[in-house]
Amino acid sequence: GENVEQHPSTLSVQEGDSAVIKCTYSDSASNYFPWYKQELGKGPQLIIDIRSNVGEKKDQRIAVTLNKTAKHFSLHITETQPEDSAVYFCAASKGYIPTFGRGTSLIVHP
Amino acid sequence: KAGVTQTPRYLIKTRGQQVTLSCSPISGHRSVSWYQQTPGQGLQFLFEYFSETQRNKGNFPGRFSGRQFSNSRSEMNVSTLELGDSALYLCASSPPGRGENNEQFFGPGTRLTVL
Repeated sequence: GENVEQHPSTLSVQEGDSAVIKCTYSDSASNYFPWYKQELGKGPQLIIDIRSNVGEKKDQRIAVTLNKTAKHFSLHITETQPEDSAVYFCAASKGYIPTFGRGTSLIVHP
Repeated sequence: KAGVTQTPRYLIKTRGQQVTLSCSPISGHRSVSWYQQTPGQGLQFLFEYFSETQRNKGNFPGRFSGRQFSNSRSEMNVSTLELGDSALYLCASSPPGRGENNEQFFGPGTRLTVL
């Protein structure tokens, strides 16, 4: 089955810095790659996604890049703010079944 | 538009008991998926329902089951509870259209503790 590795497990940055979270996947048939943000006591919230026919997608301070050949994708957050502090999950999906990474705890220090 | 709602939010049970969790998807969403989230295993897919039919299933034992009603509301049931079933159970719904890999909207989850 699909295997998704996510790094780092914890990321600490200063407000205003950029943050990068990386994921690799094993199944070349995976074709949908969402990223979720989970705050304490809440369910995951989709923040951005990318499909396999696209290499990069941007939404304000958030961007995702996908390298299908190398089977890895990354989340980039620029100008981080304290409210960006949360756990971020990547996922690789084939059909309707996503496989999630183990999560990255992002801490943004004011 | 109201989001995905899950009831109850917290539940404490003892080993051997059974439990039923409920999920109401966003209005108009017909696909409902269930996930188990634990510190040890992370987020794992349980099953997905569409139009009252289980369309996909993850690698969980038969003690985990679910169903979907004609109004798209869904329930999942866990029988003969084990300590390892303690987890946050998340429900997510997907909007119609766009074929596979629809974006998913998660509810707040039900925190199940098995003693």
